[in-house]
Amino acid sequence: NAGVTQTPKFQVLKTGQSMTLQCAQDMNHEYMSWYRQDPGMGLRLIHYSVGAGITDQGEVPNGYNVSRSTTEDFPLRLLSAAPSQTSVYFCASSPDGDEKLFFGSGTQLSVL
Amino acid sequence: GQNIDQPTEMTATEGAIVQINCTYQTSGFNGLFWYQQHAGEAPTFLSYNVLDGLEEKGRFSSFLSRSKGYSYLLLKELQMKDSASYLCAVKQGGYQKVTFGTGTKLQVIP
Repeated sequence: NAGVTQTPKFQVLKTGQSMTLQCAQDMNHEYMSWYRQDPGMGLRLIHYSVGAGITDQGEVPNGYNVSRSTTEDFPLRLLSAAPSQTSVYFCASSPDGDEKLFFGSGTQLSVL
Repeated sequence: GQNIDQPTEMTATEGAIVQINCTYQTSGFNGLFWYQQHAGEAPTFLSYNVLDGLEEKGRFSSFLSRSKGYSYLLLKELQMKDSASYLCAVKQGGYQKVTFGTGTKLQVIP
């Protein structure tokens, strides 16, 4: 029972590089989301999706893109990494967006 | 906007009881979650309150007063493994418009 799977677990980027954080869930959840967690800031919502083909912005969307071509996958793209994007990123899902969140194990990203 | 306040840190003794408070100011309030997060790990769900009152789940209980914008998480018979951060999160409107507080780091000492 995999749940929510995030890859990679750790990543170091140079300023200006691009990359994609992967997130997949095998629970047939309609709702998926990306959060970033910074010291003293709590979890902040970046983007979310309420189903395949539907995405929307959260609290801190700038510098990030998402797409949802399937129910299972919700990748997060950093187009041109900046040091301000150094953070721990969590993907989360829930059955219908109205229930508790199931979190992935997180990706620790450092941008130099 | 939303404002969620919780203490930054708390210390309690093994076997004791601790109460972690959370106050919030929000429009369109639609429920409050508590999550536990051990250092270096993902948050895990503890409780969800929509109506006023106390919800008990084993050693953990959560209370909500919607009129006062106030919730608390009560941990009884503390164990060393309860050392973690406890995140209060408020749901606003529909579809998981969930905003998290900054979390309370609880240290349980022998």
